[in-house]
Amino acid sequence: DAGVTQSPTHLIKTRGQQVTLRCSPISGHKSVSWYQQVLGQGPQFIFQYYEKEERGRGNFPDRFSARQFPNYSSELNVNALLLGDSALYLCASSLFGKGMASNQPQHFGDGTRLSIL
Amino acid sequence: KQEVTQIPAALSVPEGENLVLNCSFTDSAIYNLQWFRQDPGKGLTSLLLIQSSQREQTSGRLNASLDKSSGRSTLYIAASQPGDSATYLCAVVRTSGSRLTFGEGTQLTVNP
Repeated sequence: DAGVTQSPTHLIKTRGQQVTLRCSPISGHKSVSWYQQVLGQGPQFIFQYYEKEERGRGNFPDRFSARQFPNYSSELNVNALLLGDSALYLCASSLFGKGMASNQPQHFGDGTRLSIL
Repeated sequence: KQEVTQIPAALSVPEGENLVLNCSFTDSAIYNLQWFRQDPGKGLTSLLLIQSSQREQTSGRLNASLDKSSGRSTLYIAASQPGDSATYLCAVVRTSGSRLTFGEGTQLTVNP
């Protein structure tokens, strides 16, 4: 089975532009989470979605938004890009189900490397 | 607020050595703890997940332990190999299905 797939792998944008990143979870996984990893640091949580509903939001400005589609794939949108948005954006999927305890691990894609000039 | 710390930040060892990576967390009310490996420019590979009710988990040459009361976890790597060179990250989950809170990682180099 395919793992978590993210596109594009690399992206170069300029300040003020908008970007959309895409993620397809592992087949059967209904939960998708997004993380931002700045060079030399651990990933920081941005959003979690389950069954198209937002289940959690990290400490990021409103310029960041996301959504999940009926096939459980997800998009992360970032508006009005800043230099500080340069990072590796990681998507993770898991079997977590609403109202159901889950000790399933989260599985990550290879990420999208976003560079802001 | 949960904080996760990993010590050391970097570690260089000769091939064949056994080694221990450390992870500590400030809030002991965790649901589980997960260890990941990250190769340069790549995503995260899940290595081991320890549930809060467990003390340790093993996979091949890797053994992870968890002491919730002291807020600590260790990742033991036996007979290290150059292919083990990577950054190792630990992350905790506070409640079922919620976000991962990561440490900043330990960069491991195993020299031939």
